[in-house]
Amino acid sequence: QQQVKQSPQSLIVQKGGISIINCAYENTAFDYFPWYQQFPGKGPALLIAIRPDVSEKKEGRFTISFNKSAKQFSLHIMDSQPGDSATYFCAARRGYGGATNKLIFGTGTLLAVQP
Amino acid sequence: NAGVMQNPRHLVRRRGQEARLRCSPMKGHSHVYWYRQLPEEGLKFMVYLQKENIIDESGMPKERFSAEFPKEGPSILRIQQVVRGDSAAYFCASSPSGYSNQPQHFGDGTRLSIL
Repeated sequence: QQQVKQSPQSLIVQKGGISIINCAYENTAFDYFPWYQQFPGKGPALLIAIRPDVSEKKEGRFTISFNKSAKQFSLHIMDSQPGDSATYFCAARRGYGGATNKLIFGTGTLLAVQP
Repeated sequence: NAGVMQNPRHLVRRRGQEARLRCSPMKGHSHVYWYRQLPEEGLKFMVYLQKENIIDESGMPKERFSAEFPKEGPSILRIQQVVRGDSAAYFCASSPSGYSNQPQHFGDGTRLSIL
């Protein structure tokens, strides 16, 4: 119930292509779903986040699509660039109000964008 | 840079020694979270603290691990009598409060190696 399943484990995309990473969860108490980007030797950096009352959120080339009934959400990177090559983590968190704020992370997707 | 500061960045210990990892949250942040990242895995929640209080330690191993966030100074994650399996990257994150609309910002981590 506390797991977040992420796929694929690794992804190779050509420059200019679309990168798609998927995540699924079980716990319907989750109400906040962030995506983090991590470069080697660095900490995760918040990329974009969504709440379940919204089906899509877009920030620049990054879009989160959210399907509440299927308990799935995905990250789309449009016009992928070599500089996007990193590990991407989805995560989920239960809301405030007595519940902890801990993030439950997926296992990560290593993205390589080829020039 | 007013980001989350962690030190040391790298720490080498022999089996049986103690490891102390420090985290200074972003300015104005009073909530601190510790996560552990094993090689090729996602981040796993360990503990959530406010100033002088442990809010959630459900992810902390029952023995050898402890955490504190005193009224003054950084948060400390302490590992006593380290073993090889403690080798990992330890990340600290902070947020201004516990409200679910506030993201967690991560430091660049401490890489702990056990000889």
